[in-house]
Amino acid sequence: EPEVTQTPSHQVTQMGQEVILRCVPISNHLYFYWYRQILGQKVEFLVSFYNNEISEKSEIFDDQFSVERPDGSNFTLKIRSTKLEDSAMYFCASLGQGSYEQYFGPGTRLTVT
Amino acid sequence: AQSVAQPEDQVNVAEGNPLTVKCTYSVSGNPYLFWYVQYPNRGLQFLLKYITGDNLVKGSYGFEAEFNKSQTSFHLKKPSALVSDSALYFCAVRDGEFSGGYNKLIFGAGTRLAVHP
Repeated sequence: EPEVTQTPSHQVTQMGQEVILRCVPISNHLYFYWYRQILGQKVEFLVSFYNNEISEKSEIFDDQFSVERPDGSNFTLKIRSTKLEDSAMYFCASLGQGSYEQYFGPGTRLTVT
Repeated sequence: AQSVAQPEDQVNVAEGNPLTVKCTYSVSGNPYLFWYVQYPNRGLQFLLKYITGDNLVKGSYGFEAEFNKSQTSFHLKKPSALVSDSALYFCAVRDGEFSGGYNKLIFGAGTRLAVHP
């Protein structure tokens, strides 16, 4: 069964450093998402992406964040200058055309020290 | 604005007993509702959805959910709980009402289900 994959599973970085989180969505899916979950809190939407552009972004997704689909398979989330409060589990999700359920990857745990 | 509430932080149930995890929603328009499960150190796994049609929807691992429009609820149920069902369960509603659209999911806070032997 196809699945969404994410790398790395755990990333530790120092405050102010740039990080790139990578995702490979399910092939032939067209809609892509990033969500995050701060420890013990609810899952929050960050951004959606379709047709090589951002469809919607939340207030969390400020100028420090960017997304890219560089090669038709990977979908990346970049945080330019990490802050302590960026520590969270980041989930990638994808959705097929005409479908309703988003499929989630296993997540990347980002720890900012 | 769309929202989802899961009124219980934790549900405890004995193995073999029926379980219910509660969810209520607030949406404008027709609700598209989902249940996801999260096992420790794992991602969110899709369990089931309600889009339209029968109010009782069946999903993975023997779970089902009942859509109740008058009570704006979408409770998750299972007739006989297993210890392996112990996990964190999230109810979600799709934002907006565009058919087949790419709208984001809005999640409830999650309910931890503990099934005891």
